[in-house]
Amino acid sequence: GAVVSQHPSWVICKSGTSVKIECRSLDFQATTMFWYRQFPKQSLMLMATSNEGSKATYEQGVEKDKFLINHASLTLSTLTVTSAHPEDSSFYICSAGISGRAYEQFFGPGTRLTVL
Amino acid sequence: GENVEQHPSTLSVQEGDSAVIKCTYSDSASNYFPWYKQELGKGPQLIIDIRSNVGEKKDQRIAVTLNKTAKHFSLHITETQPEDSAVYFCAASFEGGNQFYFGTGTSLTVIP
Repeated sequence: GAVVSQHPSWVICKSGTSVKIECRSLDFQATTMFWYRQFPKQSLMLMATSNEGSKATYEQGVEKDKFLINHASLTLSTLTVTSAHPEDSSFYICSAGISGRAYEQFFGPGTRLTVL
Repeated sequence: GENVEQHPSTLSVQEGDSAVIKCTYSDSASNYFPWYKQELGKGPQLIIDIRSNVGEKKDQRIAVTLNKTAKHFSLHITETQPEDSAVYFCAASFEGGNQFYFGTGTSLTVIP
């Protein structure tokens, strides 16, 4: 099956700093990538959808200036949490797929972000 | 938009027993229903899925049933094993679309 990787798997940072998380599709070209946030014992909350070469579409309530998403190639999307605060601490998961083919969406292993 | 509800939120079963998790959805346009298993600290992994043109699908100890009329689908795990312990999420989507609508998750514990 298709493999999606995330890097780093965990990160600890100080409040006020920015953190970049990478999501890569290793063996297929992903026209669409999704970023989710998951709080402990809760479901996945979609933050934004990004299509290669265009601006990301953010879900209601997600600050686009705080969570910068770049999808510059068919195999890489990045999420940058800018000026991180402790409330941004969470588990961030990406998924990659082909536009219009939801059944071929594959999830990454997640990144645990802790902001001190 | 789509609303997916999942029950129960927690489930404990004895090893060897069966486990059933149920989901309902609201949008009749949804036609793709995957189930994911998420272990602690990891991303979701697809374990089985079903499309609306079939009523049941089975893969070894795992099966999924779909009732389009009632808009509900269920995950059945037979002969449960301790390694089945995890959080399970159902989801609904329109096959030609992008977005998944996830259920709230079920934490399954299989007691040895």
